[in-house]
Amino acid sequence: DAGVTQSPTHLIKTRGQQVTLRCSPKSGHDTVSWYQQALGQGPQFIFQYYEEEERQRGNFPDRFSGHQYPNYSSELNVNALLLGDSALYLCASSVIPRDEQYFGPGTRLTVT
Amino acid sequence: DAKTTQPPSMDCAEGRAANLPCNHSTISGNEYVYWYRQIHSQGPQYIIHGLKNNETNEMASLIITEDRKSSTLILPHATLRDTAVYYCIVRRSTKNSGGSNYKLTFGKGTLLTVNP
Repeated sequence: DAGVTQSPTHLIKTRGQQVTLRCSPKSGHDTVSWYQQALGQGPQFIFQYYEEEERQRGNFPDRFSGHQYPNYSSELNVNALLLGDSALYLCASSVIPRDEQYFGPGTRLTVT
Repeated sequence: DAKTTQPPSMDCAEGRAANLPCNHSTISGNEYVYWYRQIHSQGPQYIIHGLKNNETNEMASLIITEDRKSSTLILPHATLRDTAVYYCIVRRSTKNSGGSNYKLTFGKGTLLTVNP
């Protein structure tokens, strides 16, 4: 058990709706990264939060946004959902300067 | 980040060593080799990482060639629970990064199937 928790486990939304996914990092970790994993593909980096700021961003549109709270927990928000947003969304936590990232079990988002 | 090349799938008999290869011919001097695995329907799990020396931990061993252009992950006694997709990733270390924890760039990995 890596200690990273995500909620909800599963979610079904309709095209055009908005969704918020939540992540609590492993105890002692201060950095949260979000990844999107489509079926049959490896995870793709969305963005990373450290000290409540977005530090790095992958090739994802502005519809994807996030937030980090003072307790290091994080949210991923996706607006104007598309069918192609259906995927497993993974949260990973880490603490600088250690290199390991610990992943949560993910949230399975289905857009209909 | 340097790209990696892995075979799409491999089989291994239970109890035998599983040797998973990875090519990373364009790796640069400050990039490390990381291995993660993903068991079906779970999040990826960190296994091991190294720069140029061989590394061993309770899960696996990592052998990096002298020219650093390829590496092998070794699971010494594979069990059925080791069946998973194994990802080889090349990335700069967080140390001396000025506060950045570099992203992980996943490919498609190798599906290792451990057979009874």
